[in-house]
Amino acid sequence: DQQVKQNSPSLSVQEGRISILNCDYTNSMFDYFLWYKKYPAEGPTFLISISSIKDKNEDGRFTVFLNKSAKHLSLHIVPSQPGDSAVYFCAASAQGSARQLTFGSGTQLTVLP
Amino acid sequence: NAGVTQTPKFRILKIGQSMTLQCTQDMNHNYMYWYRQDPGMGLKLIYYSVGAGITDKGEVPNGYNVSRSTTEDFPLRLELAAPSQTSVYFCATGTGGSYEQYFGPGTRLTVT
Repeated sequence: DQQVKQNSPSLSVQEGRISILNCDYTNSMFDYFLWYKKYPAEGPTFLISISSIKDKNEDGRFTVFLNKSAKHLSLHIVPSQPGDSAVYFCAASAQGSARQLTFGSGTQLTVLP
Repeated sequence: NAGVTQTPKFRILKIGQSMTLQCTQDMNHNYMYWYRQDPGMGLKLIYYSVGAGITDKGEVPNGYNVSRSTTEDFPLRLELAAPSQTSVYFCATGTGGSYEQYFGPGTRLTVT
């Protein structure tokens, strides 16, 4: 039972355009959501997060949107750069869970120059 | 600061062998986690610890054991290696005061 789903295994975008990565979840107890970026042969690195009390969080070129009623979140990258090419994981955590993270399966983003 | 270090980087085991994956952090974080990532899949939590002397099972604990005798170290033990344990293993830490976790570079394990 996948509680966090990333239905697009891959996404290709032209440099300078917007990248939109999507994530859906089923567990209504999740109250905090994170995006991680992963390069080959490295560990995931934290990118941006959002609490369930907000619907948007922005950090430079990265914006995360949360739609609680639809149990959906998305990561927007504008403008996309070739260095953004990586696997992006969506993760979620429930209050009182010792900050355990449940991860989606990831989306490989390729930004074409 | 080295952050989170994991050793070894790569290892090949024969079925039935045992080994310990090492994880050390110098971030003074109380929370530590072990994940495995299979090809094309997300990370799954194996075990976690909220402080020295305290450990608990995650989603996929079978075939593994952990200990946490110090804040810095959180080794993961495989007692009887099986091909299903072929994976990339990541150790992570967190403060407990926030949700962000900080990951090590991973150990790629192959069991044949």
